[in-house]
Amino acid sequence: DIQMTQSPSSLSASVGDRVTITCRASQSISGYLHWFQQKPGKAPKVLIYAASTLQSGVPSRFSGSGSGTDFTLTISSLQPEDFATYYCQQTYSSPRTFGQGTKVEIK
Amino acid sequence: QVQLVQSGSELKKPGASVKVSCKASGYTFTSHAMNWVRQAPGQGLEWMGWINTNSGNPTYAQGFRGRFVFSLDTSVSTAYLQISSLEGEDTAVYYCARYYCSGGTCFLDYWGQGTLVTVSS
Repeated sequence: DIQMTQSPSSLSASVGDRVTITCRASQSISGYLHWFQQKPGKAPKVLIYAASTLQSGVPSRFSGSGSGTDFTLTISSLQPEDFATYYCQQTYSSPRTFGQGTKVEIK
Repeated sequence: QVQLVQSGSELKKPGASVKVSCKASGYTFTSHAMNWVRQAPGQGLEWMGWINTNSGNPTYAQGFRGRFVFSLDTSVSTAYLQISSLEGEDTAVYYCARYYCSGGTCFLDYWGQGTLVTVSS
């Protein structure tokens, strides 16, 4: 199975900060990497698919990059509604594993 | 608009069974596979597997073989997750999520609201 490791597990940031979350795969997954945002009590929502493609309706302050084993999700200017937990998921091979999540909290 | 609406919360005793439904609307049900994802209380997301909505063929992740069954009723655009011999460790929110494929990649683009299954004596 491909292991997905996110870092950090949590972070504290202020509104307006630039935030970067990293996701590392245990083997190459090409660009088959997607990012989700989950708020408490809600279903996850896709932000970025195929490593760098912004899902329709998602604000442009979110961006993704990377290929192979190393990927990043960047929020260029953190907004109050961005405080949530973020997950990466690979769909290169089965099982389609998720990272353990990164909780973004208010500083 | 695409919607996945899941059945309501369930409280079950250990050893019982539960069947969670996921009713799709706003698209052709058989055009997109359906995935299932588990989230234990306070924990992360765990991919359980998926079902081909054309053939009905399910694929299960390693930890979900045996007691977990994915099924369909295409006449009502509904996917089902049945769990038998429930254990306390099955207490979780279960999500269905549509698999969307574009440009050579597939990802989970729409999710149900989640169904909380609580197993307690």
